[in-house]
Amino acid sequence: NAGVTQTPKFRILKIGQSMTLQCTQDMNHNYMYWYRQDPGMGLKLIYYSVGAGITDKGEVPNGYNVSRSTTEDFPLRLELAAPSQTSVYFCASSYTLGEQYFGPGTRLTVT
Amino acid sequence: GQQLNQSPQSMFIQEGEDVSMNCTSSSIFNTWLWYKQEPGEGPVLLIALYKAGELTSNGRLTAQFGITRKDSFLNISASIPSDVGIYFCAGQLGGSQGNLIFGKGTKLSVKP
Repeated sequence: NAGVTQTPKFRILKIGQSMTLQCTQDMNHNYMYWYRQDPGMGLKLIYYSVGAGITDKGEVPNGYNVSRSTTEDFPLRLELAAPSQTSVYFCASSYTLGEQYFGPGTRLTVT
Repeated sequence: GQQLNQSPQSMFIQEGEDVSMNCTSSSIFNTWLWYKQEPGEGPVLLIALYKAGELTSNGRLTAQFGITRKDSFLNISASIPSDVGIYFCAGQLGGSQGNLIFGKGTKLSVKP
């Protein structure tokens, strides 16, 4: 199993551009999550999904959108990139409540 | 939002020393998780705790779920240089959809 994979690993965006961060898991997990991590801080939840077709907002959803059309994929969309969205983004998945397994992250810079 | 207070913020220790860190909250959690993150990587799960009072080990690491369900502790015995990294606690509230609340991390440095 590859576990949780994320692409791209790095990206630089100009203000106002849009992009999609990809996340795929091959563990047949029902739950998937997107977090952002800012320097010196813990992770903050952006969006989550408890199964295909179901998504919900986390603590910091503004400026982001998600979709969950399959069990495996959970892409995160930034429509109008802003400097405040400069961060490291982590995708995670879990079979049920409890242990979450994280991908390697996408480092995004918006200038 | 909910907060976890993780301490200490950083530690500089000598190889072979034992390490203790903890997380506290004003909220009651159903699950406590401890993760380690190395530079440029995602957090890696170390230990999961599901019951108040539970004591679980993973090699040289031991973690405990506090009796009040508002705190958790992680101990590392006989530290080695590869223990270097940032350790995060994470708590899961009852009734949540699996959402984790993270502490700000304890940065561990080990001097050979």
